[in-house]
Amino acid sequence: EAGVAQSPRYKIIEKRQSVAFWCNPISGHATLYWYQQILGQGPKLLIQFQNNGVVDDSQLPKDRFSAERLKGVDSTLKIQPAKLEDSAVYLCASSLAPPLTGGDQETQYFGPGTRLLVL
Amino acid sequence: QQQVKQSPQSLIVQKGGISIINCAYENTAFDYFPWYQQFPGKGPALLIAIRPDVSEKKEGRFTISFNKSAKQFSLHIMDSQPGDSATYFCAASIPGVTGGGNKLTFGTGTQLKVEL
Repeated sequence: EAGVAQSPRYKIIEKRQSVAFWCNPISGHATLYWYQQILGQGPKLLIQFQNNGVVDDSQLPKDRFSAERLKGVDSTLKIQPAKLEDSAVYLCASSLAPPLTGGDQETQYFGPGTRLLVL
Repeated sequence: QQQVKQSPQSLIVQKGGISIINCAYENTAFDYFPWYQQFPGKGPALLIAIRPDVSEKKEGRFTISFNKSAKQFSLHIMDSQPGDSATYFCAASIPGVTGGGNKLTFGTGTQLKVEL
């Protein structure tokens, strides 16, 4: 089974520039997550999709960050304009089904991440 | 607001020893407690998880101990091996009331190094 794919793996940009990240979840996974992982910290959820609808974007800095999952499969996360403090690894994860069923369906599978450096 | 506190920040264990990582949480609504393992340049991968209706879960060399009254849980790695050297994250989640996936709140991570 193919895992979660992300691209690019690395990106270096100047502050105030824009950048976009792409994620392809595991086939059949309805739920997709974007996390931000700052060096030395645990991942922090930015946004969560159920199919192509947003479930939770309470921690997404909406003045500069946007995300979409138009056809309920692939997703893109965009930052415009970038700030120095956006330097982090951006992780995409997916899970099979809504959590109310519990059990193994709650497992989130993570991609390798995109390492962003803002200069 | 940090809802899951993890310690220690780093840990060095001799090969064959026991590695112990601790986490404490505040929100009693959490009902799912996974541990993730992350190697450099990779995304986190689920190691083992527990629900609060049991006090212990064991999978191979990995054991989670859960103390609901103290709101604490810990990961024990028995017979630690150099290949276990990685960063370990505890996490917790609340059922998704909207029908979406569980929102994971992660601890700050523990860098484990297992020496020969």
